[in-house]
Order: sequence, then structure tokens, then C-alpha cells
Amino acid sequence: EIVMTQSPATLSVSPGERATLSCRASQSVSSNLAWYQQKPGQAPRLLIYGASTRATGIPARFSGSGSGTEFTLTISSLQSEDFAVYYCQQYNNWPPEYTFGQGTKLEIK
Amino acid sequence: QVQLQESGPGLVKPSETLSLTCAVSGYSISSGYYWGWIRQPPGKGLEWIGSIYHSGSTYYNPSLKSRVTISVDTSKNQFSLKLSSVTAADTAVYYCARHLGIISHFDYWGQGTLVTVSS
Repeated sequence: EIVMTQSPATLSVSPGERATLSCRASQSVSSNLAWYQQKPGQAPRLLIYGASTRATGIPARFSGSGSGTEFTLTISSLQSEDFAVYYCQQYNNWPPEYTFGQGTKLEIK
Repeated sequence: QVQLQESGPGLVKPSETLSLTCAVSGYSISSGYYWGWIRQPPGKGLEWIGSIYHSGSTYYNPSLKSRVTISVDTSKNQFSLKLSSVTAADTAVYYCARHLGIISHFDYWGQGTLVTVSS
């Protein structure tokens, strides 16, 4: 099983500032990585796939980077609606065994 | 607009079988793509349970494989999850979701349904 580790567990940032979230895979997943945003009581929402491609309708302030085992989600200028929990997910291996990180909670500083 | 909606009992007794259905609208399951189940215990992270292709090919999380069955009913445009011999550890919000390929991200999700395992 590929283990996904996110850091930090909680990130406190002020509105308007930049947030950088990290995700590490226990073995290479190439660029087969997605990021999701989840707000309380809601389903996860796809933000980024292929490590760096924004999903439809996702604002340009969200960007993803990385490949192999190290990945980053950057939110360039935090808006109030961005405070949520963020999960990374790998979808690299065969047979398929999708795994998620444990999440990073982005909170208002 | 693709929409997914989970339905099923919100309370299941220990040792019994959890059964959920995901109704899909705005897209015909017969047209392709993969359809999966993911769960999230209260206050915890996400765990993939398994996925199915419209043809019926299935893929399961090895940790749950012995207890999981996923099936598809293209005539009703829905797919289903059965999880047997449940315990309190199976209490979670269960989501259904679509993914474009067997090696792919999940692009559309249902709103989720809470299933509690308790006597």
C-alpha cells in the first residue's frame, strides 16, 4: 500500500496570505496525484488532478506542483471560503488501491 | 450536470450487512467511466472501498475485499455497495463518486450518507 503523508496537520494563515500544503508518498506515484477540499458537512471537492491541473471552475489562486513522492498545493491569496480541510490522493498503482492523506486543516489565523 | 445521490439505512446492527445505493443523474452509467465508494469515519480521513465499471468489472480495497460487493444496474442507472459482518468500526459517512478511468481521480461526488453500526 502506498502511504500518503500530509504536513502540517493544521496550518494557521491570515486571509490574503499564501498557504503551502505538502503531501509525500511512500513510493513514487509519478504525477498521479489529486487534491481535494472538504468543508464541514460536505463532500470532498476536486481541486487539482495530475498533480498540477486545476479542475473545472477552480480559481487560479489554487496551484499544484510536484512529481514522484513530493507534492505541494499552494493557495496564493487566501479567501475566507478557502478555510477547510485539504486531502491529497494517489491513483498510481495497479491493481488500483487509491489512498488518501490524513488531511491538512487550514484555519484562520 | 452529473449528480450522484446515496441512499440506504442509516442504522445497521453489528454482524449484519450494510447496503447502500447510488443513483446517478445527468450521465448514463452505460456510457462508461468508473463508479466508486469511499467512506469517512466521523472526524477522520477518507478510505476508498472499491469501484466498478459499467461492464461489471470490480476493484476492491484489499483491506475490505473479503466483506465488500459492488454491483451495477445500468437499467436503473445506479450502483450499489454491500458490506457484510459490520462492526462499530464501519460507522462512517459513505460517499459514492465517479472516476474517469481505473487509474484516475474522483471528479463527481455524492453528498454522502451517514451509516451508524449499533445495536
